[in-house]
Amino acid sequence: EPEVTQTPSHQVTQMGQEVILRCVPISNHLYFYWYRQILGQKVEFLVSFYNNEISEKSEIFDDQFSVERPDGSNFTLKIRSTKLEDSAMYFCASRPGTGSPLHFGNGTRLTVT
Amino acid sequence: TQLLEQSPQFLSIQEGENLTVYCNSSSVFSSLQWYRQEPGEGPVLLVTVVTGGEVKKLKRLTFQFGDARKDSSLHITAAQPGDTGLYLCAGLHAGNNRKLIWGLGTSLAVNP
Repeated sequence: EPEVTQTPSHQVTQMGQEVILRCVPISNHLYFYWYRQILGQKVEFLVSFYNNEISEKSEIFDDQFSVERPDGSNFTLKIRSTKLEDSAMYFCASRPGTGSPLHFGNGTRLTVT
Repeated sequence: TQLLEQSPQFLSIQEGENLTVYCNSSSVFSSLQWYRQEPGEGPVLLVTVVTGGEVKKLKRLTFQFGDARKDSSLHITAAQPGDTGLYLCAGLHAGNNRKLIWGLGTSLAVNP
């Protein structure tokens, strides 16, 4: 069964550094998402992406964050200048259409020191 | 603010027991999804319920969507240690199909 894949599984970075989290959504899916989950807390919506543009973003998704679909398969989340509070699991998800369930990747654990 | 409240937050039971976890909201959802998440992994979809009053079974798991589409329950019969994990409900708000509203989850531990 096709699945969403994320790399790396764990990223450690120093405060102020830029990180890029990578995702390969399921190939026939059209809607792409980034979520994050701070340890012990809720899954939080960051951003949704459709038709090569951001369709919705949360208040968490400030100017430090950006997303890109550089080719037909990858979907990336960039954090320009990481802060300690950015430490979390970051999940990529995709779905074929609105109303369809999301398919999640296994996440990237980001640790900012 | 749309909220999904899950209860109980934590549940520790013995193998073979039955349990029910709840997902409640004051909002109406066009659909509601249940996910299971294991430590260090992403949520894995278990089921989607769409119609008010709908009941879906997945082996020993029974999911029900409330008649008013504001709440849902997950019942596990004869729990096994392999059922251990975080059970999350997430709803698609009736007015906004693009964004999922998440509950905090019920952390289930089934002891052998």
